[in-house]
Amino acid sequence: NAGVMQNPRHLVRRRGQEARLRCSPMKGHSHVYWYRQLPEEGLKFMVYLQKENIIDESGMPKERFSAEFPKEGPSILRIQQVVRGDSAAYFCASSPHNTGEAFFGQGTRLTVV
Amino acid sequence: GENVEQHPSTLSVQEGDSAVIKCTYSDSASNYFPWYKQELGKGPQLIIDIRSNVGEKKDQRIAVTLNKTAKHFSLHITETQPEDSAVYFCAASIMDSNYQLIWGAGTKLIIKP
Repeated sequence: NAGVMQNPRHLVRRRGQEARLRCSPMKGHSHVYWYRQLPEEGLKFMVYLQKENIIDESGMPKERFSAEFPKEGPSILRIQQVVRGDSAAYFCASSPHNTGEAFFGQGTRLTVV
Repeated sequence: GENVEQHPSTLSVQEGDSAVIKCTYSDSASNYFPWYKQELGKGPQLIIDIRSNVGEKKDQRIAVTLNKTAKHFSLHITETQPEDSAVYFCAASIMDSNYQLIWGAGTKLIIKP
């Protein structure tokens, strides 16, 4: 059973471009969580999704950020018109049910230049 | 809402000694408490968890204790080894709900040779 797969591992974008981060949950997991982490800091919750539904997006900025978890395919975190402050590591986690037993991917490190 | 505090922020111990990291939580309804280890450049990895119906759980050199009355839980690592060096995060949540994992700020554990 492969773990949570995130791609790309590293992403460089110029200011104003769009960043698309992908997350394939573990097999059988229908709950996906996205987190953001700055260097030397903890994990900041962004959004919690189930298949085709956003359950909680309270941690995600209302502008430029969006997330989806379609019926088929990976979960996508999209950041439009990126700015330098968006540079961070973005982690995805999945769980088989909403009990908090979350398993993390290796993250996507976004650098905005 | 729930708030999780974690101490210390940095812990340096001699190889072979024990390390203890402590967390407190505010919501008495929380009933699931995982601990994650994050190595440099990697995603957090679940190392041990405890549910509120038990007071202690062990897995080889690591153990977690829970005091529901005082609302605190601790991670204990015995016979520390260089590979234990990492950042450790505690978290709290309510199982079987849409409640999220609430994270501590992390403890950087340094094992001195």
